[in-house]
Amino acid sequence: AAGVIQSPRHLIKEKRETATLKCYPIPRHDTVYWYQQGPGQDPQFLISFYEKMQSDKGSIPDRFSAQQFSDYHSELNMSSLELGDSALYFCASSFGSYNTGELFFGEGSRLTVL
Amino acid sequence: AQSVSQHNHHVILSEAASLELGCNYSYGGTVNLFWYVQYPGQHLQLLLKYFSGDPLVKGIKGFEAEFIKSKFSFNLRKPSVQWSDTAEYFCAVMFNTGKLIFGQGTTLQVKP
Repeated sequence: AAGVIQSPRHLIKEKRETATLKCYPIPRHDTVYWYQQGPGQDPQFLISFYEKMQSDKGSIPDRFSAQQFSDYHSELNMSSLELGDSALYFCASSFGSYNTGELFFGEGSRLTVL
Repeated sequence: AQSVSQHNHHVILSEAASLELGCNYSYGGTVNLFWYVQYPGQHLQLLLKYFSGDPLVKGIKGFEAEFIKSKFSFNLRKPSVQWSDTAEYFCAVMFNTGKLIFGQGTTLQVKP
């Protein structure tokens, strides 16, 4: 069965550079969530989209932005990268919003900022 | 504020021992409850979930969890752990905003 696809799987950037992470949800899923998991930390909710509109916002820095496109894939753009941005970024997708089902997680994109 | 709390941060057990990991959440409304497992270097995998109905839910790999509404708890249990259960376990709660909030995680180490 198709799963959530994230790319790239690994990314190394320098401080102050920009990075873009991509997430392709499971077919027919219309909701995408982004989570950030620092080393030894629990996943922290960043932002979510439902039907291409932002549905909720968590602890996403102002330097980050995200959007969901017409094909429901989502991109997380990170600018002015800092060392503390080094983390595993998970994308998850679901069908519908608000308590309609479980989230299916991708394998994550590991960002290392040097 | 909506929050999820896991009681144990690091648990060490011997094989065949019983496991119970505590999870509490702070919210009086309707929630959906989940337990995820994360093996070293891997992504989150769903162990089990509770939406409604029987508060005792069974998941994969012999895990089960009990939802006690009056205690705002959703504890994870397994009667007999195996070395392969060594992993990080996250309780997660989906509140009515549709946002999934994770607990701090519990590292389980099973000694062979």
